[in-house]
Amino acid sequence: QVQLVQSGAEVKKPGASVKVSCKASGYTFTGYGITWVRQAPGQGLEWMGWINTYDGNTNSAQKLQDRVTMTTDTSTSTAYMELRSLKSDDTAVYYCARDLGNTWVDFWGQGTLVTVSS
Amino acid sequence: QLVLTQSPSASASLGASVKLTCTLSSGHTTYAIAWHQQQPEKGPRYLLKLNSDGSHTKGDGIPDRFSGSISGAERYLTISSLQFEDEADYYCQTWGSGIQVFGGGTKLTVL
Repeated sequence: QVQLVQSGAEVKKPGASVKVSCKASGYTFTGYGITWVRQAPGQGLEWMGWINTYDGNTNSAQKLQDRVTMTTDTSTSTAYMELRSLKSDDTAVYYCARDLGNTWVDFWGQGTLVTVSS
Repeated sequence: QLVLTQSPSASASLGASVKLTCTLSSGHTTYAIAWHQQQPEKGPRYLLKLNSDGSHTKGDGIPDRFSGSISGAERYLTISSLQFEDEADYYCQTWGSGIQVFGGGTKLTVL
């Protein structure tokens, strides 16, 4: 069965970087994209970006473009999202999700809580 | 600008039906969307993709009680025979021109 297993919770100081991993199993990794979504406490879902796992092309939300990097390691079927220059309002649960080509997502990871605090 | 609008809240009684609405912004009224459910303290779960012709594709294990429909720019999620476990936030999602967008979510209360 399809599974996306994310790395554990992180606590970071403002200005630091965080890298969240998302290990996929149960399907052909390069046959689907990976979308990253975050959810601040008590808020809705915010699309961060998408990576084509086949060729590495990415699209990201304009507000995050200069701070976010999405990559994959196809040898381990793992996707990564790195967010730099962290601010307190980056505190959120970060989700990866299997994507049907920068369109809709049909399976979600369990989420990774990233807390940014001095 | 691609925007999805959802009512912040809805409520219905146990065993009844409820119809949640997601409205596409002007100029994007033929877009497909997807619906996702987020139960309290859990991650989101994909429910179904709703195409512009009204057909839909459900996620694995999603009960027949969940269905989708459309009318113009409106995209609907109907949940019949409401259960307490259906109390959750429901988000619609769409995509186009290299971006994806989520609606603000509707919090459904089962009375």
